[in-house]
Parts: sequence; structure tokens; C-alpha cells
Amino acid sequence: EDQVTQSPEALRLQEGESSSLNCSYTVSGLRGLFWYRQDPGKGPEFLFTLYSAGEEKEKERLKATLTKKESFLHITAPKPEDSATYLCAVQSGMGDMRFGAGTRLTVKP
Amino acid sequence: NAGVTQTPKFQVLKTGQSMTLQCAQDMNHEYMSWYRQDPGMGLRLIHYSVGAGITDQGEVPNGYNVSRSTTEDFPLRLLSAAPSQTSVYFCASSNSGEQFFGPGTRLTVL
Repeated sequence: EDQVTQSPEALRLQEGESSSLNCSYTVSGLRGLFWYRQDPGKGPEFLFTLYSAGEEKEKERLKATLTKKESFLHITAPKPEDSATYLCAVQSGMGDMRFGAGTRLTVKP
Repeated sequence: NAGVTQTPKFQVLKTGQSMTLQCAQDMNHEYMSWYRQDPGMGLRLIHYSVGAGITDQGEVPNGYNVSRSTTEDFPLRLLSAAPSQTSVYFCASSNSGEQFFGPGTRLTVL
């Protein structure tokens, strides 16, 4: 069965303190790995898609990387507005989408 | 473009009542899906559709029905509401993997 595990569950950072979020997965035939950002009371907002091991994508202070077993979302010099829950999802070869429980990030000024 | 819209935003039901959550998208996406989000469990796929007239079950389909008569609309029906269906429901649409989500419906079943 496909599984997605995100760690840590919650992360508190000081503004400017870089860190990484982890997404470990098992899936039959990875079609894509997705990162989303979710603000309280809103739907998830798409950030990145990664398709194969070794691939990297960047957007502002965020960089996503992918290996055969896990993905990392690196946050460089975060700001308070980066506070949100970050969700990871994998799409199997059959098309099913499986989400992790998310990492709740708080960035203190 | 309005993107993905969902109605209602909030709903309270009594056990045994039925209702339909509405979802519409104006991006001409073929793929649409329904998720529920519960604390500590992330998003779980209820049902999905790869095009008009085609639907399939996701991870947690029991107690829910869907239909897809048009590309734009994908309603989710609760047949006989149960307290275990208290959750936040999100509809999403996609053409190429990345999904666009609606604002959600917060449902409470008493």
C-alpha cells in the first residue's frame, strides 16, 4: 500500500533560521511527488511537482529535492509569512493520490 | 477565472440526514476529486473522476456518492450522515498532476 510520512509534525523557527522538512514515501510506480502549502481555513496551494530522483525545483526561499525514497523541502532564511502547513503528496502509476499528514511550520520574528 | 468553487462553506446536519456538497471548476480540467481532511490524518481521497461520465473510488468512499454529468461539476452526496463524517471537505481539479483546490466545506454531523 502507498504510504507518505512527513516529519517533523511541527517545526518552530526563528526568522532567518534555515531548515528542512522531510517527506518519506513508498509507492508503486511514482508518477509525481507534489508539495503544497496550506494556510489555516483555506485549501492547499500548489508549490512544486517532482518527477524523478535527482530533480530539484526552487521558488523564492523554498527548494524541493527528490530521491527514490524521500523528498525534502528546504526553507532558506524563512520569514513569518512562510508560516503554514506544508503537505506532501505522491501520485502512483495507477493515478491514486496519497497525502502525508503535513508539517506545521511557525516562523517567529 | 473563479477556479474551483465549493458550496456551502459551513453545514450542520443531524445523523441520518442527506445532503449534497457542490463543486464546480471553470478551468476545463478533466480530473476532479474529493478529499476529506481530519486533524492529524492529512487529506484522504474519497472519490475521483477522470472525465465526464467516469468516476472511481478513492481511499475512503463508504457513505459517499458522486456523479460527473459535466466537465465543470462534481457534486458529493452524503447518503445518511454519521458523526464520523464530521470533517472539512475539499474539492480539487487538475489536468496534469498538480491540483487546484477549492476553499473547503466544514461539515458537522450531530
